[in-house]
Amino acid sequence: GQQLNQSPQSMFIQEGEDVSMNCTSSSIFNTWLWYKQEPGEGPVLLIALYKAGELTSNGRLTAQFGITRKDSFLNISASIPSDVGIYFCAGQVAPNFGNEKLTFGTGTRLTIIP
Amino acid sequence: GAVVSQHPSRVICKSGTSVKIECRSLDFQATTMFWYRQFPKQSLMLMATSNEGSKATYEQGVEKDKFLINHASLTLSTLTVTSAHPEDSSFYICSARVAGGRFSYNEQFFGPGTRLTVL
Repeated sequence: GQQLNQSPQSMFIQEGEDVSMNCTSSSIFNTWLWYKQEPGEGPVLLIALYKAGELTSNGRLTAQFGITRKDSFLNISASIPSDVGIYFCAGQVAPNFGNEKLTFGTGTRLTIIP
Repeated sequence: GAVVSQHPSRVICKSGTSVKIECRSLDFQATTMFWYRQFPKQSLMLMATSNEGSKATYEQGVEKDKFLINHASLTLSTLTVTSAHPEDSSFYICSARVAGGRFSYNEQFFGPGTRLTVL
C-alpha cells in the first residue's frame, strides 16, 4: 500500500535541542496527523491538522499542514528525554465517513543523547 | 481521551494454529474499527476496516480467509489469524473511530497492540 515519506529516518540529538521532521506525499491529503509510538505500544495522537496552511501547537510541539496538501512538518522545541520514540505522520483523504483510512509515514526514530 | 484495549498483549503459538485478538473500546462506542500490522522497524500498514454489523473491507493483498474479522458489537472487534505461520509474526494494532459525542468525529484511538509470535 501507499506510504508517506518521512525524513529524516532517524535523529540523534542532545537534550535541549530542537527537532524538525517532515513528511511528503505524491498525492493530496485533507487531514494530516502526527503520532508518537513507544516500544511495544500503539501510536498516540500528538497533533491533528485539518486545513491547508494550518499551523498548530501542542505544548512544545508545532506542526504545519503544507499549502499544497502534500506535506507536513513537525517541530519539537527544547527536547527532553521522554521525547524519545518513533514519530509517524499520517494522512487522511477525507475525514468523513467513507474514506477515512489513515496512510502512515515511514517514521522518524528520535534518540536523545545524554 | 478515549481508551482502546487489546487482548492478549502477547501471544506465542505453534504454526498451524489459529489465534484470536480482541479490540475493545472501553468508554465509547465505535461503529468502525481498523486493524493494522506492523513489522519490526516498519510503519503501520492497514489490513482491514471493520464495520459493526457488516463485513469487513480488506486492503489489497490481505487474505480475508486468513485474517477473519468480526465486529459484533459497538465496542468489540476481533481479528482471528487462521492457520498461523511464522511469516504472520508481527505486531497487530487496532484503532477505533468514535461514533460521535465528546470527540472530534473523525479521530481514531489506537490500542496498545498485540505481539504475535508463531513458532
